[in-house]
Amino acid sequence: GAVVSQHPSWVICKSGTSVKIECRSLDFQATTMFWYRQFPKQSLMLMATSNEGSKATYEQGVEKDKFLINHASLTLSTLTVTSAHPEDSSFYICSARDHRVGRQPQHFGDGTRLSIL
Amino acid sequence: DAKTTQPPSMDCAEGRAANLPCNHSTISGNEYVYWYRQIHSQGPQYIIHGLKNNETNEMASLIITEDRKSSTLILPHATLRDTAVYYCIALTRGRDDKIIFGKGTRLHILP
Repeated sequence: GAVVSQHPSWVICKSGTSVKIECRSLDFQATTMFWYRQFPKQSLMLMATSNEGSKATYEQGVEKDKFLINHASLTLSTLTVTSAHPEDSSFYICSARDHRVGRQPQHFGDGTRLSIL
Repeated sequence: DAKTTQPPSMDCAEGRAANLPCNHSTISGNEYVYWYRQIHSQGPQYIIHGLKNNETNEMASLIITEDRKSSTLILPHATLRDTAVYYCIALTRGRDDKIIFGKGTRLHILP
């Protein structure tokens, strides 16, 4: 079964609205989570690394004031797209790093499709 | 982590074996080869990984060349549900495990 839950799976909202996406690790503690964005027909692009109890590390070109990341617990990271505009419409995917021996390095959520009107 | 190179797309007939190649000529000794796939509108799914020995699980087999500069993912009996983008990734475990995805191979299974 799924070990990472992402919510909501899709959201449609008006331009200027802020949207929060949640990523939860269900059966393990994840001190590190990752946020990706994917445009149609393109690969996943890493946006930021979310570390529990500390500030996120953003990849080059990603606006940290636009994409707010909070990782307040060992099982939850949130991504808030602030004042979203149509160009922010995309498929957002989170993953959680698995430290356990013998497990795959990351478990991915099923993504959130964000549409800004 | 080493860069990987994959063909942009491949076709395979349903029921046949799908062989997906990956070049990783600059791979270092402590980098594993991981394969993930992404079915349309879903998150990536782990398939298999290996260091230098060939590996097999319920989903696929992974063949790594002796010099470790390339590998092949084998789906033994492809079905329509295997239509997806397949990503080959070279990754050193134990650091931040940050995965940078390349463009992958878009595999079309033909009925």
